[in-house]
Amino acid sequence: GDSVTQMEGPVTLSEEAFLTINCTYTATGYPSLFWYVQYPGEGLQLLLKATKADDKGSNKGFEATYRKETTSFHLEKGSVQVSDSAVYFCASDTGRRALTFGSGTRLQVQP
Amino acid sequence: DTEVTQTPKHLVMGMTNKKSLKCEQHMGHRAMYWYKQKAKKPPELMFVYSYEKLSINESVPSRFSPECPNSSLLNLHLHALQPEDSALYLCASSQAGQGQNIQYFGAGTRLSVL
Repeated sequence: GDSVTQMEGPVTLSEEAFLTINCTYTATGYPSLFWYVQYPGEGLQLLLKATKADDKGSNKGFEATYRKETTSFHLEKGSVQVSDSAVYFCASDTGRRALTFGSGTRLQVQP
Repeated sequence: DTEVTQTPKHLVMGMTNKKSLKCEQHMGHRAMYWYKQKAKKPPELMFVYSYEKLSINESVPSRFSPECPNSSLLNLHLHALQPEDSALYLCASSQAGQGQNIQYFGAGTRLSVL
């Protein structure tokens, strides 16, 4: 079946460091891919998306590129801030009107 | 406006109580979802409504009863819950067309069952 695998957390970085959170997927066909962010005590917010191979999603300084050849959708940001501390979920659209989520990666940014 | 509103934000209930969670959106979305999220875990899909009809039920126990009274509202009726049902319950909505599955989430209802 479809699945999404994310790197284990927590990821702890200093402010202004470079961020990479790895995400790989398995799916039949070519799913749409998403990154959602969940701040403490809140619901999920859509951070960015990509719907086909080589698409780059971007928002608030975060970027991710849909790589069909490596079945990956890694999240990157050039300079993280304390306010970026949250849990990040990679997700794929299975096509049956359900999202398949990765396990989530907690990011902690220290001043 | 990409807002999905859930009420209440917090709910404490006993195992014999009956309560309801409410979700509302005004984005014209015709697909709505209930998810359950335990601490430090990803959301797990419970139900999907498409054009006000239940299209997916992920083998959820009957003590959870969803209802979609119109295209803007989604309810989750709770009865005789167990302590292990304590979790964050998230509602989401999206357009219903093929390839239109960008889901927008509410802030959730944090449920505690005593």
